[in-house]
Order: sequence, then C-alpha cells, then structure tokens
Amino acid sequence: KAGVTQTPRYLIKTRGQQVTLSCSPISGHRSVSWYQQTPGQGLQFLFEYFSETQRNKGNFPGRFSGRQFSNSRSEMNVSTLELGDSALYLCASTKGLFSDEQYFGPGTRLTVT
Amino acid sequence: AQKVTQAQTEISVVEKEDVTLDCVYETRDTTYYLFWYKQPPSGELVFLIRRNSFDEQNEISGRYSWNFQKSTSSFNFTITASQVVDSAVYFCALNTAVKVFGPGTRLSVLP
Repeated sequence: KAGVTQTPRYLIKTRGQQVTLSCSPISGHRSVSWYQQTPGQGLQFLFEYFSETQRNKGNFPGRFSGRQFSNSRSEMNVSTLELGDSALYLCASTKGLFSDEQYFGPGTRLTVT
Repeated sequence: AQKVTQAQTEISVVEKEDVTLDCVYETRDTTYYLFWYKQPPSGELVFLIRRNSFDEQNEISGRYSWNFQKSTSSFNFTITASQVVDSAVYFCALNTAVKVFGPGTRLSVLP
C-alpha cells in the first residue's frame, strides 16, 4: 500500500510570493491534516479536511489556506510569504477523524528568502 | 484548551539502558485519544501506539511499553534495553476535535 506522498519535497521562494503544496493520502483515507514543523515551535496543527470539508483549523493567519478534492488529495496554499514561513510542512492522512492514528508524509521543506 | 507537555527536551542514554519518556496532557473532554509517534533522523513521523480515554490498560510491545494514568493525566513511554536505532525525536499527541502535539523529546542512545 503506497504511503502518503507530498510534492514538491523542496521549495525555495521569495518573500511576498505564494506557494501551493500538494498531498496525496493513503488510498481509502478520507482525512488529511497539515502541520508546520519548525525547530522553535515544534509541530503545529494548521487544518484538517475530511470529505472535502475543513473540519478544524489551527491558530494560523488567513494567509494559510487549504482544500481537499473528491479523491481526498489535498493542497495547502500560503500567500504573501514571510521569512517566518520557512518550515517543514507535513501532511498526514487518517481513515476517519480524531480517533485514528495519523500516517505522515515526508514533508515539503519550504525556504523563504 | 488542549495541551501536551513533554518536560524532557533531550535525553542521552547508553545502549541497553532503560529510558522513560514523560507525557502529561490537559483536556476537558471526556473522550480523547492519545498517541506516541517517532521521528527518526530520516524525518518521517511514524505511529507507535494509540490509547483512548476509556482504556487505561498498559501495553507492552517488545521493548516498548506504555503507562496510561488518567488520575495524573500522564501517558508515559518506556524503552527497555535501548538500542542505537531508538535514537529519534518522540512526540506525544492528543486528539480531540483538534490535534495537539507535544514539543517532543530527543532521545540519543549512545553505543
């Protein structure tokens, strides 16, 4: 069974630009969560999508947004990039909602210069 | 509000020593799920164990064991006879309507 895939794996962007990251969950998994991981803040929850609907959202500004498609694939978008957005962005998929364990992708390393 | 505390930022042990990683959580929900994940140097987080709030049975899996105590809101993780391959960052996580991770404990097992 294929794992969670994330593209691209590495990205370098300039401050003020926008970026879109993609996540393909494990086949049959309907929930996708996004996290930002940084050395200083650890793993912070961005949002969760289930059946194309955003179910929960973390404490991030509106520049961070996401969506989920009918095939459960998900994208997250960050607009007007800031230097502080440099981080590892992790995607995790689960079969259902909060009772299930999460399966994580390798992440997208975003560097904002 | 939900919160997970892992008081140990870094732990170093010598191979074959036992080590316990602490996790304390806060939630007002009566139904919740607790997890441990391992993030090896390669980077990908790997699921280790899940516990729901109604199941306080301790669990042992090989060299790993978990002690869940609702009375102290703790879900501690013990590695017996540690090995170099256990070196990783370990995260405790709490799932309710939102998903909260602790800050992680970096475990270094020295040969």
